[in-house]
Amino acid sequence: EPEVTQTPSHQVTQMGQEVILRCVPISNHLYFYWYRQILGQKVEFLVSFYNNEISEKSEIFDDQFSVERPDGSNFTLKIRSTKLEDSAMYFCVVTGGPVRRYGYTFGSGTRLTVV
Amino acid sequence: AQKVTQAQTEISVVEKEDVTLDCVYETRDTTYYLFWYKQPPSGELVFLIRRNSFDEQNEISGRYSWNFQKSTSSFNFTITASQVVDSAVYFCALRRNTDKLIFGTGTRLQVFP
Repeated sequence: EPEVTQTPSHQVTQMGQEVILRCVPISNHLYFYWYRQILGQKVEFLVSFYNNEISEKSEIFDDQFSVERPDGSNFTLKIRSTKLEDSAMYFCVVTGGPVRRYGYTFGSGTRLTVV
Repeated sequence: AQKVTQAQTEISVVEKEDVTLDCVYETRDTTYYLFWYKQPPSGELVFLIRRNSFDEQNEISGRYSWNFQKSTSSFNFTITASQVVDSAVYFCALRRNTDKLIFGTGTRLQVFP
């Protein structure tokens, strides 16, 4: 059973629509991240989240993006008004603590297609 | 600047050949971590190895081995006796004193029977 479950595995949405990508880690992790990978390109950092707040975000993570952990279990990424260029694979990543002791665990990803 | 360079965009080999994937990184930090991930056609990212900057010992895991050389800022990955199932995109990544991982552009490995 995967340590990190992402839903949905694939989502198609129309430009301008809001989408919410969900991540459910099985065990208690402390650090949460979202990364994205545009098809055929490298994996890019979006945001890190610790202790219920954003600890770092990239220039990609503009006002259209938000993250939250509403119930202490699910970790969500919301894109308010999707654009064509948001089409990508989105990975939820978790780690139990400092990376010197814990590795990064990637979820299986959500492929978002904006049409 | 923090950067990871994987100069090999694509490599093709025949089964049972050995293949080395290059990774060169840039960082001014003295403490950092290096990673390799495998991305098969299904799209998930599979963790292969993590190495911290203070541990320059080479590591071997079955057919996989890694050569970390701080003097040349390289962290190369060798697959011995490659198999068709090794076909994937391989990413090298750097983590410095902040949380985020910085990925290289990846090397696509194709192993033909």
